[in-house]
Amino acid sequence: DQQVKQNSPSLSVQEGRISILNCDYTNSMFDYFLWYKKYPAEGPTFLISISSIKDKNEDGRFTVFLNKSAKHLSLHIVPSQPGDSAVYFCAASGGSNTGKLIFGQGTTLQVKP
Amino acid sequence: GAVVSQHPSWVICKSGTSVKIECRSLDFQATTMFWYRQFPKQSLMLMATSNEGSKATYEQGVEKDKFLINHASLTLSTLTVTSAHPEDSSFYICSASTGHLYGYTFGSGTRLTVV
Repeated sequence: DQQVKQNSPSLSVQEGRISILNCDYTNSMFDYFLWYKKYPAEGPTFLISISSIKDKNEDGRFTVFLNKSAKHLSLHIVPSQPGDSAVYFCAASGGSNTGKLIFGQGTTLQVKP
Repeated sequence: GAVVSQHPSWVICKSGTSVKIECRSLDFQATTMFWYRQFPKQSLMLMATSNEGSKATYEQGVEKDKFLINHASLTLSTLTVTSAHPEDSSFYICSASTGHLYGYTFGSGTRLTVV
């Protein structure tokens, strides 16, 4: 059972525009969410996180929004840059999975110059 | 910053042989390390949690006798894929806890191909 889902396998946006990556989860016990960026044949690198007590966290061009009632979070990248092209994973933790990370399937973002 | 080194980055082995993958925390001590595997276009699946000086905790469905994990020091965890078969071919990634809540640093991964 996939507890964390990224239903869009890919996304293509123009440089300078906004990229919105979505993530849904099913486990209401999750209380911490993270976004990672991954290049092929490399490990994920941490981007931004959010605790369930917040509904928004911002770091430079990256903003994560959390809608607990909908069990949905999204990552906004503004403005998008070609160097942002990568696979983005959302991950969640909490409840019986405290201390562990449960990953979504990933979304491949392509930012076109 | 926290750095995790994973070695080898890729390995090809014959079916039936064993392969060892190392995960080292270079500039911090990691009491907890995690091992993941990733199939193409799929998510990172947690295989096991490795704690220094104790037995690893395996996730449901992961064969502990096939995927041997050793965490003998605060800076090194190893994953040995025993009697490897082609279906074990995958991308294996380790991560180490820096001690901060959800402060995980990932290694660069190991591409295992069993022929």
